[in-house]
Amino acid sequence: DAKTTQPTSMDCAEGRAANLPCNHSTISGNEYVYWYRQIHSQGPQYIIHGLKNNETNEMASLIITEDRKSSTLILPHATLRDTAVYYCIVRVSKAAGNKLTFGGGTRVLVKP
Amino acid sequence: GAGVSQSPSNKVTEKGKDVELRCDPISGHTALYWYRQSLGQGLEFLIYFQGNSAPDKSGLPSDRFSAERTGGSVSTLTIQRTQQEDSAVYLCASSLAGRGSGTDTQYFGPGTRLTVL
Repeated sequence: DAKTTQPTSMDCAEGRAANLPCNHSTISGNEYVYWYRQIHSQGPQYIIHGLKNNETNEMASLIITEDRKSSTLILPHATLRDTAVYYCIVRVSKAAGNKLTFGGGTRVLVKP
Repeated sequence: GAGVSQSPSNKVTEKGKDVELRCDPISGHTALYWYRQSLGQGLEFLIYFQGNSAPDKSGLPSDRFSAERTGGSVSTLTIQRTQQEDSAVYLCASSLAGRGSGTDTQYFGPGTRLTVL
């Protein structure tokens, strides 16, 4: 799987949009961008994934640059419960047995 | 719908004892993964089941660890003669990979926190 680079930490204000960047300059054509988060003492939670088009679901939006070398996860209205470590991963999606590996992630602190 | 469930949520045991951890995947998910996460660390892959195929056991750290998946659904991870270094959160995930157009988007359970005294 391609390597990703994320900021170590970031703060954001409650009620505002949180924009989390991720660089993945060595991404291959068949690799998807996945985002998970892990709230303290809980299991990882799937957020969203995409290949090249922007994606939106009830949790977040994913914006992928045209060259696919970077992406941004957007939490539209951050709440205190969004405080977590966010992991950006690039991996083949269709292949079964593809183990997940998390890098350092971005520790997001949502402040009142 | 129901997500992945794991039991027990917490397990405290004495060194040398055997433990069994249970995972109920999302209904219909054919792929099941076990990982563990030590304090402040990333995910460590343990074992993977896909349908009726032979499991990928390449991540099991020693022969004290084993897992089975009965009827293509529930899975049990067994650790024999536990050691203090086995203390970690054991996570189970499942996905639709291998079923129709399913993808390998893995959904995790809440984990079992194992403490070996």
